[in-house]
Amino acid sequence: EAQVTQNPRYLITVTGKKLTVTCSQNMNHEYMSWYRQDPGLGLRQIYYSMNVEATDKGDVPEGYKVSRKEKRNFPLILESPSPNQTSLYFCASSPTGLGGETQYFGPGTRLLVL
Amino acid sequence: SQQGEEDPQALSIQEGENATMNCSYKTSINNLQWYRQNSGRGLVHLILIRSNEREKHSGRLRVTLDTSKKSSSLLITASRAADTASYFCAQRPLGTDKLIFGTGTRLQVFP
Repeated sequence: EAQVTQNPRYLITVTGKKLTVTCSQNMNHEYMSWYRQDPGLGLRQIYYSMNVEATDKGDVPEGYKVSRKEKRNFPLILESPSPNQTSLYFCASSPTGLGGETQYFGPGTRLLVL
Repeated sequence: SQQGEEDPQALSIQEGENATMNCSYKTSINNLQWYRQNSGRGLVHLILIRSNEREKHSGRLRVTLDTSKKSSSLLITASRAADTASYFCAQRPLGTDKLIFGTGTRLQVFP
């Protein structure tokens, strides 16, 4: 089944403890992206990647890192999480290689930073 | 902020009724998309309409785009309880390669 998967789906952690949220897609998509969703703010883009080894900042990149070593994987890294990073995170991919076209979303990762 | 606005924020209707949601945006666009999100889950793409299109249909969904008013609407006809979800519009501003999402409309369809 064609899909975007994220792990873990739920995560509770403490301030400062490094964590990684994995994202994988099996559709051979060039473009991948990370968003966070907060009440009243909609979805905001954190980072995106047009292709392997090509990543760039979105609208809210502070406190996050990403890497794209393989086409299918795009992990989101929080080196030193803080409570304001408590949010619902979504990974997405696009078949056209463009960020402004149809995107396919993962199921989400709900993160709580204490 | 380039973020669009959606109206209403919440909508409650009975099964069989039509639901209309509106989206306004601020800058010229390449395309506008509508997504559905079931509670706490990932977004699912519904329809993409380009700036040179005025109307598009997909099953019970009808999307219109008025670029002169910088607005779009999503109509769901003959709604069902399974249509209960949040609906988001997302615009691709002209000259960019990103999507700007609105804050969504929560639709509740009562059986």
